[in-house]
Amino acid sequence: DQQVKQNSPSLSVQEGRISILNCDYTNSMFDYFLWYKKYPAEGPTFLISISSIKDKNEDGRFTVFLNKSAKHLSLHIVPSQPGDSAVYFCAASAGGNNDMRFGAGTRLTVKP
Amino acid sequence: SQTIHQWPATLVQPVGSPLSLECTVEGTSNPNLYWYRQAAGRGLQLLFYSVGIGQISSEVPQNLSASRPQDRQFILSSKKLLLSDSGFYLCAWSVRGAEAFFGQGTRLTVV
Repeated sequence: DQQVKQNSPSLSVQEGRISILNCDYTNSMFDYFLWYKKYPAEGPTFLISISSIKDKNEDGRFTVFLNKSAKHLSLHIVPSQPGDSAVYFCAASAGGNNDMRFGAGTRLTVKP
Repeated sequence: SQTIHQWPATLVQPVGSPLSLECTVEGTSNPNLYWYRQAAGRGLQLLFYSVGIGQISSEVPQNLSASRPQDRQFILSSKKLLLSDSGFYLCAWSVRGAEAFFGQGTRLTVV
C-alpha cells in the first residue's frame, strides 16, 4: 500500500527557472512531511520539512507547501541550479512515531 | 555531533548465503532506528523500525530480519538470501518527531 506517492518519476528544468516537485498522500493521520535529496550511491539527506499545522515553510531557495484538504504537498526550488540535480523523495510520518514512509522519488535534472 | 556508520558499502553474495548488515549510531541516546531498501527504479521501502532495544517492527513480510542488541546498534540479517533481496539498503536514525538521518548505504547484489 503506497501511502505516499510521487507520480512524476522525472523532471527537467532550465537553470534559473523554478522546479516544482509534487507529492500526494493517502493517510490522513500523517502530520509531518519531509523532503530528502539523494545522490547516486549515497544515503538521502534531509532538505526541508513541514508540520501539518502550517501550510508553508521556506528555507532559502526551497519552499514546501502543504494542502491538507487535498493531501498534497509540493517542493519549490527557485532559482534552480545544476547542483540541484538529484532524486528527491517526499516522506511522511504520523504522530511522532517516525515510521516514515517515502514516495518513489522524482529525478530532477537542472540543465545549464 | 551525531554520526551513523553503516557497513559494508558493497556486498556480493551468492543465493542461499546468510546476510548481516550492521549499523551503529554515535552521539545520541535512544534513537529510533530504521532499515530501508531501495530497489532499482523504486522508492525507499521501510523494512524495519525500532523504538528501543529489542523492539522491532516489521513492515513487509520477507526473507529478512532485524535485531537491536544495543541502544545504538541495528542489524539486518537473512539466513538465506534470494535474488530478489538485491538492492540498496539504508540504515537511518531519528529522534521522535524529527527528520531521519541516513547512513551511506550498502549495495547488495545477490548472484
